[in-house]
Amino acid sequence: QQQVKQSPQSLIVQKGGISIINCAYENTAFDYFPWYQQFPGKGPALLIAIRPDVSEKKEGRFTISFNKSAKQFSLHIMDSQPGDSATYFCAASEDNAGNMLTFGGGTRLMVKP
Amino acid sequence: EPEVTQTPSHQVTQMGQEVILRCVPISNHLYFYWYRQILGQKVEFLVSFYNNEISEKSEIFDDQFSVERPDGSNFTLKIRSTKLEDSAMYFCASNRPQGNIQYFGAGTRLSVL
Repeated sequence: QQQVKQSPQSLIVQKGGISIINCAYENTAFDYFPWYQQFPGKGPALLIAIRPDVSEKKEGRFTISFNKSAKQFSLHIMDSQPGDSATYFCAASEDNAGNMLTFGGGTRLMVKP
Repeated sequence: EPEVTQTPSHQVTQMGQEVILRCVPISNHLYFYWYRQILGQKVEFLVSFYNNEISEKSEIFDDQFSVERPDGSNFTLKIRSTKLEDSAMYFCASNRPQGNIQYFGAGTRLSVL
């Protein structure tokens, strides 16, 4: 019940295209859903996050869509750039300080020039 | 911008040896975490720490592991007798008292030979 399932495992997108990564969860107690971006040799860095009181959140080229009834959320990267090439992890937790993050399996994104 | 710092960046040790991984969380944060990432796999929760005690731990965090905040600034992870399967990236994270936005350090790569 604690799992977060993420797909696809890898994704290749042309520069300027839209990258879409999907996640699904089971635990209805989760109420905080961050996305982390990780470059090789670096730690995960918070990219964008959403709470279930909204269905969409946009920050620049990054948008999270959230479907509470389906227990799914997704990351859209508009106008994808080669610099976006990284591994993306969705995560979920209860939105109280101190709660563990449960991570998805990760998606390795490559944006071709 | 404040950041979580971890030392060393790479630790090589012989099987059976003790290692201590060090972290300096962001100064006004009160919640601290250790996660690990085996090469090519997802980030896994190990332990969370608040008010000088463990608040939650995963099944990975067995008797070989311990955490400590020895001096009010450092947060350490000790592995008492390392095994080959302990080889991984170990990430420290911290967050503020409100919400659950966790900030990650760059990690320590532990190689057990």
